[in-house]
Amino acid sequence: GAGVSQTPSNKVTEKGKYVELRCDPISGHTALYWYRQSLGQGPEFLIYFQGTGAADDSGLPNDRFFAVRPEGSVSTLKIQRTERGDSAVYLCASSLAGQGTDAFFGQGTRLTVV
Amino acid sequence: GNSVTQMEGPVTLSEEAFLTINCTYTATGYPSLFWYVQYPGEGLQLLLKATKADDKGSNKGFEATYRKETTSFHLEKGSVQVSDSAVYFCVHNNAGGTSYGKLTFGQGTILTVHP
Repeated sequence: GAGVSQTPSNKVTEKGKYVELRCDPISGHTALYWYRQSLGQGPEFLIYFQGTGAADDSGLPNDRFFAVRPEGSVSTLKIQRTERGDSAVYLCASSLAGQGTDAFFGQGTRLTVV
Repeated sequence: GNSVTQMEGPVTLSEEAFLTINCTYTATGYPSLFWYVQYPGEGLQLLLKATKADDKGSNKGFEATYRKETTSFHLEKGSVQVSDSAVYFCVHNNAGGTSYGKLTFGQGTILTVHP
């Protein structure tokens, strides 16, 4: 595709529910990243995939958060038992190599937990 | 640990004014440094980058020089336009190891330019 695509653009869910956020990276990009951006803050790293494997998941806040990239392309960020503190914009980025240079970001999914 | 500290905003300027947004960082090794910009209603975009000490990144009239001795990467523009109104993020990546792709962002600086 022309850019990184994230769906849905907005998601409202009730506390305790399960949500899935999808990221479709630029075709051919082997590296994929998830970040979380709270209001008034810079994005914070969650997890980084190189191909199908998670090369670094040190930013996942707890075991309610999980991400997969089974075929090395589309990735899904999964949040179980959502809490109000999970409300944020979740950003996905991709790049040709796992070097952070020229990472292209999607528009993000705004998650609101009520 | 690794971090980025940006000049706090918001910054409000008149058109054609000079812009400086200060940025300092802490990191292990020799990271690459970036400025990303987020225009209203749009996603994050890479504005400019520098990959080693003393390099100058430039784009759209913006410049920033990688100063290893002061661990700084200040953003400057000689004459801002209304269309430069956006949020600016100073960013570095981890150098080496398995986290080479991980970006560390500053908190962002909101710039508003009035006609």
